[in-house]
Amino acid sequence: NAGVTQTPKFQVLKTGQSMTLQCAQDMNHNSMYWYRQDPGMGLRLIYYSASEGTTDKGEVPNGYNVSRLNKREFSLRLESAAPSQTSVYFCASRRDQGSETQYFGPGTRLLVL
Amino acid sequence: QKEVEQNSGPLSVPEGAIASLNCTYSDRVSQSFFWYRQYSGKSPELIMSIYSNGDKEDGRFTAQLNKASQYVSLLIRDSQPSDSATYLCAVNAGNNRKLIWGLGTSLAVNP
Repeated sequence: NAGVTQTPKFQVLKTGQSMTLQCAQDMNHNSMYWYRQDPGMGLRLIYYSASEGTTDKGEVPNGYNVSRLNKREFSLRLESAAPSQTSVYFCASRRDQGSETQYFGPGTRLLVL
Repeated sequence: QKEVEQNSGPLSVPEGAIASLNCTYSDRVSQSFFWYRQYSGKSPELIMSIYSNGDKEDGRFTAQLNKASQYVSLLIRDSQPSDSATYLCAVNAGNNRKLIWGLGTSLAVNP
């Protein structure tokens, strides 16, 4: 099992450009999450998805959109990147059904100039 | 506002000592508690989960939960330099699928 995978590992964008961060899990987990992590701010939830076809906002959803394409994949889109979106983005998944543990992908480092 | 608080550190201990990391939480209905370790530049990885009051041991790690006092702690015995990392405390946010995260405690184990 690869666990949770994320692409790309690193990306540089100019202000106003768009991009999609990809996340996939092969653990047959139900819930998936997108976080951002900034120095001094900790992990902040952007969006999460309890199941295919459903998504819910987290603490910091502004400027982002998500798609739960199927059970395996959960993508995060920045339509018009801003320097404030420079961060490390982590995708995570959770089996549910008696387990609340979240498993994280390796992260995507995004720099918006 | 539901909160999880940790001392940011850095906590510095000599190799072989016991490292004690603490976490307090505000939501009394929380039922699940987690300790994650995060090395610099890496993603968080689960060390321990605990659900009942008392101690839970796994190798050199012991998690302690006191729901009445709303704190959870992590003890690392025989600390090693490889334990140097940031330790994140997370608490479930009631009856939903979200976790509330602390900001983490930085631990440095000195050879």
